[in-house]
Amino acid sequence: EVQLVESGGGLVKPGGSLRLSCTASGFTFSNYRMNWARQAPGKGLEWLAAISGSGSSVYYGKSVKGRVTISRDNAANSLYLQMNSLTVEDTALYYCARLQSGQDENGMDVWGQGTPVTVSS
Amino acid sequence: EIVLTQSPGTLSLSPGERATLSCRASQRVGSIFLSWYQQKPGQAPRLLIYGASNRATGVPDRFSGSGFGTDFTLTITRVEPEDSAVYYCLQYGSSAPWTFGQGTKVEMK
Repeated sequence: EVQLVESGGGLVKPGGSLRLSCTASGFTFSNYRMNWARQAPGKGLEWLAAISGSGSSVYYGKSVKGRVTISRDNAANSLYLQMNSLTVEDTALYYCARLQSGQDENGMDVWGQGTPVTVSS
Repeated sequence: EIVLTQSPGTLSLSPGERATLSCRASQRVGSIFLSWYQQKPGQAPRLLIYGASNRATGVPDRFSGSGFGTDFTLTITRVEPEDSAVYYCLQYGSSAPWTFGQGTKVEMK
């Protein structure tokens, strides 16, 4: 079964750091660009970051650029998001998602269930 | 950054009615880069449509996508109670950052 499972969320104080993980199974992880997205309570989806299959290319959204680092370990079938200088506005459910691999396919076809991050003093 | 504006904010329909959801981009988006997602309460998003008009695996044929340039549409031909959800469009173009629309909520009367 194709699956993504996030972990690492929790309660952190403003200014703190957190490292999220996403473990993939059921597919050849290194063949896929992977993404992080988040959803604040009661709000819509926000794309945050992406990384190519090899890990050589990374991309970031404006709201998190300079504060987060996306990385991956293909041997461990794992994706990571290191988040620093967290603020209350970073409180959200964080999802990892797989981008389709076809040449003209640019949808996120597999999603994890999310890991919650709460930033509060 | 490309801004996607979805309308209406909420759509209230009776079962069997047609739903038309709009996604308008602040600049041209290639059709291959536009996708639609369904999100039910407490669930992760689900890919419905990719490449503006291609249904993802397992998506019922009452869902269809169309459009090009800056105007895209998701249509549900005969809405069923299980289609109650929030629907998002996403542009995943040739360069970052990539962006979601703010969502359209479909609810049953």
